[in-house]
Amino acid sequence: EAQVTQNPRYLITVTGKKLTVTCSQNMNHEYMSWYRQDPGLGLRQIYYSMNVEVTDKGDVPEGYKVSRKEKRNFPLILESPSPNQTSLYFCASSLRAHEQYFGPGTRLTVT
Amino acid sequence: GQNIDQPTEMTATEGAIVQINCTYQTSGFNGLFWYQQHAGEAPTFLSYNVLDGLEEKGRFSSFLSRSKGYSYLLLKELQMKDSASYLCAVRDREGKTGANNLFFGTGTRLTVIP
Repeated sequence: EAQVTQNPRYLITVTGKKLTVTCSQNMNHEYMSWYRQDPGLGLRQIYYSMNVEVTDKGDVPEGYKVSRKEKRNFPLILESPSPNQTSLYFCASSLRAHEQYFGPGTRLTVT
Repeated sequence: GQNIDQPTEMTATEGAIVQINCTYQTSGFNGLFWYQQHAGEAPTFLSYNVLDGLEEKGRFSSFLSRSKGYSYLLLKELQMKDSASYLCAVRDREGKTGANNLFFGTGTRLTVIP
């Protein structure tokens, strides 16, 4: 089954404790992206990747890092999480720059 | 930058037709998408417009006018399961070849009533 998976689905952590949210897709897609969704602000793009070893900043990259060492994986790294990074995070993938397939989401709470 | 505007909420009756509008301002327009998002779930793709005109897909149609910076999503024969948020998103090159910067509006929450 074609899908985008994210782990963990729910995470509660404390300020400053490094964490990684994994994202994996099995559709051999070139494009992958990370978004955060906040009430009243909608979905905002954090980082995207056009292929292996090619990444670029989206709209709100501050406080986040990504890597794309393999085509299928695109982890999101928070080196020092802060409460303002409490949000719902979605990973997405697409073939070239067409319709995006979203993962199920990761709800992160930073206390 | 990008400025994407769509109504916050709409209500419509089962079986009716509803039109959800989206206006945008962007410097390097490269396509407009509509997504559906049920509460607590991930967005799912509905339609894509890059040229002016109407794209029809079953009960859903999407229209684009690039000169006016305007799009709408038309839902026909509304069903209760169509109650969801509808997200308008604009792809903007911002001068980068092959870029995939996607900017979303805040979404329109549609409630379908019996």
